[in-house]
Amino acid sequence: AQSVTQPDIHITVSEGASLELRCNYSYGATPYLFWYVQSPGQGLQLLLKYFSGDTLVQGIKGFEAEFKRSQSSFNLRKPSVHWSDAAEYFCAVGPREYGNKLVFGAGTILRVKS
Amino acid sequence: DGGITQSPKYLFRKEGQNVTLSCEQNLNHDAMYWYRQDPGQGLRLIYYSQIVNDFQKGDIAEGYSVSREKKESFPLTVTSAQKNPTAFYLCASNLRLAPDTQYFGPGTRLTVL
Repeated sequence: AQSVTQPDIHITVSEGASLELRCNYSYGATPYLFWYVQSPGQGLQLLLKYFSGDTLVQGIKGFEAEFKRSQSSFNLRKPSVHWSDAAEYFCAVGPREYGNKLVFGAGTILRVKS
Repeated sequence: DGGITQSPKYLFRKEGQNVTLSCEQNLNHDAMYWYRQDPGQGLRLIYYSQIVNDFQKGDIAEGYSVSREKKESFPLTVTSAQKNPTAFYLCASNLRLAPDTQYFGPGTRLTVL
C-alpha cells in the first residue's frame, strides 16, 4: 500500500547534539517531498521542500534534508539541536499524480534535554 | 499581512449539534484543504477544493460538509453524523498548479462535550 512512514514516534536528543529524523515513502515515481514542524496547539510551518534537482535541500532554522531515490527516503538533519527545536515534525509526500495533495507521516516528537 | 486565519481557536459542542469552522485566506490561492489531526495519526485529509464552487472528498469525509462560494473562504461543517469529532482541525491552501507548497492556518480545537 502507498504510505509515508516515520519510524520514530519519539526522539530525545541532548542540546548541541546532532539530529536525524527518518522518513520513507512507498510511491512509484519521485514525489514532491516536504518537512513541516508543529509546536503544540499551533499550525504547521514549512521547514523545507524538494521538487527536483539537487538532492540535498537546505531549509530554515539550520535544517537540511537529503532525498535518496534508491532508498525512497527523505531524512531531516540538523548538526546541532537547540532547546527551541523541541516540537513535532511531519514528513509529507505529494505523489505527482495527486497534483498538490499531500500524504502525511504520523509525525516524530522531538524532545531536547539540557 | 498575508496568511490563513481560522476561527475560533477553541470550540465546544454538545453531542448532536452541527458546528461550522471558519477558514479564510488572503494569499490568492486557488486550492484549499481541511485536515483532521489526532495524536499519533498525522494529518488526514477531509475535503479539498481546487476552484470556487467545486470540492472533492478526501480520505475521511464522512460526517463533514464544506462549501466554496468564494475563493478566500472554505468553511467546514462538522455534522452530528461524525462519530468522533473531537480533534484538532487544520486548514491549508496553495496554488492549484503543482508543485506548490501548502501553507497552514493556526488550527481549531473542537471538543464535543
